[in-house]
Amino acid sequence: KAGVTQTPRYLIKTRGQQVTLSCSPISGHRSVSWYQQTPGQGLQFLFEYFSETQRNKGNFPGRFSGRQFSNSRSEMNVSTLELGDSALYLCASSLEGDYRTDTQYFGPGTRLTVL
Amino acid sequence: AQSVTQPDIHITVSEGASLELRCNYSYGATPYLFWYVQSPGQGLQLLLKYFSGDTLVQGIKGFEAEFKRSQSSFNLRKPSVHWSDAAEYFCAVEDAGNNRKLLWGLGTSLAVNP
Repeated sequence: KAGVTQTPRYLIKTRGQQVTLSCSPISGHRSVSWYQQTPGQGLQFLFEYFSETQRNKGNFPGRFSGRQFSNSRSEMNVSTLELGDSALYLCASSLEGDYRTDTQYFGPGTRLTVL
Repeated sequence: AQSVTQPDIHITVSEGASLELRCNYSYGATPYLFWYVQSPGQGLQLLLKYFSGDTLVQGIKGFEAEFKRSQSSFNLRKPSVHWSDAAEYFCAVEDAGNNRKLLWGLGTSLAVNP
């Protein structure tokens, strides 16, 4: 069974631009979560999608948005990029998104650098 | 507010030595606790999780963790470390009864000397 895939793996953008990251979950998984990972802040939860609906949201500004398609693939978008958005963005999928019963599988991440 | 603390930013051990990585949490009720590992260039992988019951939890790759309510700790252990265990280790706790959101520690980087 293929794992969680994220594209692209590396991305360089300049301030003010926007970016779209893609995540393909494991087949059969309906929950997709996104995280931002930085050395100073660690892993921070961005949002979770389940059956095309945003079910949970972290404390990030509205510049960060996402969506999920009917095949459970998900995209996240960051508009008006800032230097502080440079980070590793991780996507994770699970069957139902319940950490108590599911196992969350992570992709390798997309490394975003904002210049 | 809930929080997870990993007091050790970086640890170095010799191959074959025992390992203990510390995790302390702040949580009002019985927490749901997790340990993940992140190897270079790879995604995070769940090592083990604790919900209730036996306070000693066995995980993959020979790891175990012990939940100690009196010390608010959930330390990860391995009796004999292998060079392939060099990685970043993260402790996480379920966010205030929200079984779909985790709070994460900042991680402990483990280096293994040959």
